[in-house]
Amino acid sequence: GAVVSQHPSRVICKSGTSVKIECRSLDFQATTMFWYRQFPKQSLMLMATSNEGSKATYEQGVEKDKFLINHASLTLSTLTVTSAHPEDSSFYICSAQGPYRSTDTQYFGPGTRLTVL
Amino acid sequence: GESVGLHLPTLSVQEGDNSIINCAYSNSASDYFIWYKQESGKGPQFIIDIRSNMDKRQGQRVTVLLNKTVKHLSLQIAATQPGDSAVYFCAEITKDTGNQFYFGTGTSLTVIP
Repeated sequence: GAVVSQHPSRVICKSGTSVKIECRSLDFQATTMFWYRQFPKQSLMLMATSNEGSKATYEQGVEKDKFLINHASLTLSTLTVTSAHPEDSSFYICSAQGPYRSTDTQYFGPGTRLTVL
Repeated sequence: GESVGLHLPTLSVQEGDNSIINCAYSNSASDYFIWYKQESGKGPQFIIDIRSNMDKRQGQRVTVLLNKTVKHLSLQIAATQPGDSAVYFCAEITKDTGNQFYFGTGTSLTVIP
């Protein structure tokens, strides 16, 4: 299957700082990338859908100014958590969809554990 | 929005037994379904998928059954092994929702050695 990587895998930061998480599709071109958030023992919550070269589409209740998403190329999307606070602590997972048509399977990254002190 | 849910939040099985994990969906227009496995601290891993024009699909030790009449999806794992212990999610995708994926709440499978 396709390979998706995330970096960093784990980050601890102070309240008020910004954190950038990278998502890369390593062996295919991802026309669409998704960002999810997951709390312990809960399902994935879609935050936003990111298409290469265009603005991300955010789900209801997700602050676009707080969670900045950039999808600059077909293999890279970034999520920046701005002015992070303890309530932003979570497991963030990206996925990439492709390579041939929009109904292709989403392949997930390994996740990034964010802890805000 | 449409919902995809799982009947059983937790499931414990004896090693070597077969496991069945169920999922109900509510959008009759759903045309693509996927089962994912998520181990603790890791991202979901694709297991098997099925399209709405099929009612059964088999993989290695896993079988997915789709019953469109009652909008039900199941994942069967044969000869369950300790390495199968994880949370299993079903996901549905429909063209009329812009190909978005909707995930169920997940079932935690524990395999007892």
